[in-house]
Amino acid sequence: RKEVEQDPGPFNVPEGATVAFNCTYSNSASQSFFWYRQDCRKEPKLLMSVYSSGNEDGRFTAQLNRASQYISLLIRDSKLSDSATYLCVVVVGQLTGGGNKLTFGTGTQLKVEL
Amino acid sequence: GAVVSQHPSWVICKSGTSVKIECRSLDFQATTMFWYRQFPKQSLMLMATSNEGSKATYEQGVEKDKFLINHASLTLSTLTVTSAHPEDSSFYICSARGIAKDTQYFGPGTRLTVL
Repeated sequence: RKEVEQDPGPFNVPEGATVAFNCTYSNSASQSFFWYRQDCRKEPKLLMSVYSSGNEDGRFTAQLNRASQYISLLIRDSKLSDSATYLCVVVVGQLTGGGNKLTFGTGTQLKVEL
Repeated sequence: GAVVSQHPSWVICKSGTSVKIECRSLDFQATTMFWYRQFPKQSLMLMATSNEGSKATYEQGVEKDKFLINHASLTLSTLTVTSAHPEDSSFYICSARGIAKDTQYFGPGTRLTVL
């Protein structure tokens, strides 16, 4: 079983739609969670951290369910510029813990269309 | 925000040659740097972790004699792909953490094509 699993998509949605991605992780010792965005042929960029209480940043909402070991990302009122691959990232332990490393999912591709 | 640069951004080389990729943290001291590789339609896979002044720690399955990593200063790490072959063609991305370690910054990546 992969450490971090995501539906690769693509998710094709019209502009203005709401879209949600899920991600599951296998290691229950994971403590830090992130969503990154990666545009084609570019490096990944941090979109937001994910907290147990859930957190929101503008049109983006992230949720963490520790009991079920899954993370979600909700994008409201999607824009053409949201088209990208969204990577779920998990860290066993805290990111500040020395050599703790980011484990990436394969990413979910989103295409927002007119 | 913090910036990490990589050089070159892309390289094409013949099979059997060695290629060096540089990763620099431009406005912070990177105590730890990471090297990733990403094949098309796949996720980033960590190759190795390096701390300044010490030997790199390689992930399982990554040949340390083929992928030489040097982290000689707090702002520079290099990855050398020795005797590159077509199967080494990939997108190589470095990443750096500062002293606070609470954020990891990614370089723009280097696209390597081995003919």
